[in-house]
Amino acid sequence: GQQVMQIPQYQHVQEGEDFTTYCNSSTTLSNIQWYKQRPGGHPVFLIQLVKSGEVKKQKRLTFQFGEAKKNSSLHITATQTTDVGTYFCAGIGNQGGKLIFGQGTELSVKP
Amino acid sequence: DAGVTQSPTHLIKTRGQQVTLRCSPKSGHDTVSWYQQALGQGPQFIFQYYEEEERQRGNFPDRFSGHQFPNYSSELNVNALLLGDSALYLCASSFIGYGYTFGSGTRLTVV
Repeated sequence: GQQVMQIPQYQHVQEGEDFTTYCNSSTTLSNIQWYKQRPGGHPVFLIQLVKSGEVKKQKRLTFQFGEAKKNSSLHITATQTTDVGTYFCAGIGNQGGKLIFGQGTELSVKP
Repeated sequence: DAGVTQSPTHLIKTRGQQVTLRCSPKSGHDTVSWYQQALGQGPQFIFQYYEEEERQRGNFPDRFSGHQFPNYSSELNVNALLLGDSALYLCASSFIGYGYTFGSGTRLTVV
């Protein structure tokens, strides 16, 4: 079945440093979504990518969807303490239907 | 505008018992998905409901069942509870082509 893998599992950075998390799917995706979950909270939708090679930006966050639509990345420039949380990628396969989540990357930011 | 509402927020049950969790989707959303999230893990897809039918199902046993009502609200039922069913149960609502909105979840503890 469809699997979504994320690396790294944990990332500890100093405030102001950059952060990147990578996502790979075992199958081609029709779209990929990114979510942020704060400690003790629930996942919150950040963005959706649907086109091959698509790049989207939200302030300091840059999201990319690979040309083969099997991988994606999230890059945060100049991290802040408010960026703390776990970032999940989640994909829907070409057959549609279920949104499958990766294991997440937990980001901690040291002031 | 209310987002996704889940009840109860916390629940303690004994092994072998049955539990029902409830979800009211965000206004305008017609699809409800249920996820199980163990501590430190990504959300695991249980099933998805659309037009009162189970449209997709993940790798969960038949002890997990659900229902969607005409007003799009949904229930998740778990029979013969096991200790391993202890987790955060998340409901997410969506409208086709858009990201998911998650509720705050129900924390289920099986003792």
